[in-house]
Formats: sequence, structure tokens, C-alpha cells
Amino acid sequence: DIQMTQSPSSLSASVGDRVTITCRASHSISTYLNWYQQIPGKAPRLLIYAASTLQPGVPSRFSGSGSGTDFTLTISSLQPEDFATYYCQQSYSALMYTFGQGTKLEIK
Amino acid sequence: QVQLQQWGAGLLKPSETLSLSCSVYGGSLSGYHWSWIRQPPGRGLEWIGKISQSGSSNYNPSLKSRVTISIDMSRKNFSLKLYSVTAADTAVYYCVRGVEMATIGFNWFDPWGQGVLVTVSS
Repeated sequence: DIQMTQSPSSLSASVGDRVTITCRASHSISTYLNWYQQIPGKAPRLLIYAASTLQPGVPSRFSGSGSGTDFTLTISSLQPEDFATYYCQQSYSALMYTFGQGTKLEIK
Repeated sequence: QVQLQQWGAGLLKPSETLSLSCSVYGGSLSGYHWSWIRQPPGRGLEWIGKISQSGSSNYNPSLKSRVTISIDMSRKNFSLKLYSVTAADTAVYYCVRGVEMATIGFNWFDPWGQGVLVTVSS
């Protein structure tokens, strides 16, 4: 299986801050990397697919980058509704999808 | 806009069979794959398995011996059965649509069902 490791596991930040979350794959996955946002009590929501393509309807303050084994999700200016848990997911191995453990973004 | 509506029993005893179904509204089942993903309370996401419109399925090896996913194209729904459940199977279960870019194989999960909490307790 391809293991996905996110860092940090939790993060405190303020409204207006720029925030970066990192995801590392145990094997090269090209750009087969997706990012999801989960608000407590809700289902996850797709933010970014193929490492850097913004899902329609997602605010442009979200961006993704990376290839191979190292990826980042950046929120350029945090808004109150962005405080949530973020997950990366590899889709390189289509027979066994795996997620990172999540990064919980909290208000400072 | 495609929406997924899922349902099933929320409380099971150990050794029973978990059975969930998911209906697809506002879109076709054709051209996509359909997955189940679970999330134990306070923990991360685990992919359970997927099925295509043809009925071809793939499962997480850690669950493969206990899982069956089926699809009913005429009723526009797909289902999950997990046999011989234990407390470790307590989780919120999500049904999701898998979208794939045919030419280069990028794929992702969108949308997600609302989730159903399944609790296994004696």
C-alpha cells in the first residue's frame, strides 16, 4: 500500500493567516493527489484534484502543488469557514486508495 | 447536481452483517465508479472498496474477506455488506462517487453521501 503522511497533525492559526499543510507519499504518485476538507459532523468535500486543479466552486484562496512524493495545500488568507480537518488522498493506486491521517486546523 | 442518499441499520450486534445502500439522484451511474469509505469516531478515512457500472469490484485487502459491494443500475443504487462485524467496525460509513479522467487516469471522490453512523455493540 502507498502510505500518506500529513504534517502537521494539528495547526492553530488566525483569520487572515497564510497556512500550508504538507502531505508525503511513501512512493512516487506523480500528481495523483487529491485534497478534501471536512467540517465536524459533515461529509468530506473535494477541494483539489490532480494535485493542483481547483474543484469548481472552491474559493481561489485554496491552492495545491507538488508531484512525486511531496505535496502542499495552501490557504492564502484564512477565513472563519476554513477551520476544519484536511485530508490528502492518493489515487495513483486505483486498486487501493489511501488517505493521510488528517490535519486539524484550529482557531488561535 | 448529483446527490447521494444513503440508508441502513445503525446499530448492530457483534457477528451480524452490516448492510447499507446508496441511491444516486440527478445523474447516471454510467461512466463512474462507486465507493464506500468509513471513518471511525474521531479518526481518519479508510477506503473500503469500489464497484463499476459493469459490476467489477475492488476491495481493501484488510476487509476483502468480509465485504461485498453490489450495484443495481436499474434502481440507480449500490450497496455495501460487511459480514461478521465487531466493535472495530463502528464508524460513519460514506458512499461516494468516483470520477475519473479517462485519458490520463486522474480520479477523485465527489460527491459524498451524508454518512451513516453504524455502531456495533453487544
